[in-house]
Amino acid sequence: GQNIDQPTEMTATEGAIVQINCTYQTSGFNGLFWYQQHAGEAPTFLSYNVLDGLEEKGRFSSFLSRSKGYSYLLLKELQMKDSASYLCAVRDFRGSYIPTFGRGTSLIVHP
Amino acid sequence: DVKVTQSSRYLVKRTGEKVFLECVQDMDHENMFWYRQDPGLGLRLIYFSYDVKMKEKGDIPEGYSVSREKKERFSLILESASTNQTSMYLCASSLEQGAGEKLFFGSGTQLSVL
Repeated sequence: GQNIDQPTEMTATEGAIVQINCTYQTSGFNGLFWYQQHAGEAPTFLSYNVLDGLEEKGRFSSFLSRSKGYSYLLLKELQMKDSASYLCAVRDFRGSYIPTFGRGTSLIVHP
Repeated sequence: DVKVTQSSRYLVKRTGEKVFLECVQDMDHENMFWYRQDPGLGLRLIYFSYDVKMKEKGDIPEGYSVSREKKERFSLILESASTNQTSMYLCASSLEQGAGEKLFFGSGTQLSVL
């Protein structure tokens, strides 16, 4: 099975930087995804890491350490529209490659 | 852009009814998934399918079944709806089993069982 842990809620100020952590325990690790979900909408893909290190994509970056079972999503220059839930998903091999989601982190950005 | 369409945005059913949730994707994806999303519990996998007529149980399959007769369509069936199946149901698809294949989600069906 899997155990994926991320904080339930975080708050930050517009223009600031926020780091959302995700820890996991799994066998057969095959990649970690971050998704963004605005209230009442479907999740949308943000980033993917399968090797250790940092992946940067505009204001968003994602980091992975496989040995530590740890990832974070870094959001820079926060904007009000970044208020959303951020979902960490770990893909592992259980007969097929299956993504399993953490409970999500609700980020509130205030002025 | 990939489009994943779920037939209903909101659905209200009575306890004991048989409920069909339909999902269609238009990009020839091999893999399709059904999740339910509940406050505080996140997305939990009910069933998935990696090919036509193939299905695999996810983490919470009890009380559900699925059907995939055509590649583009994946149906979730609640044989006898119960109040604890009130939830947001999300369908997703992905291209293939390769690493890095992201999920594309439908807009969700909010099911209320009374």
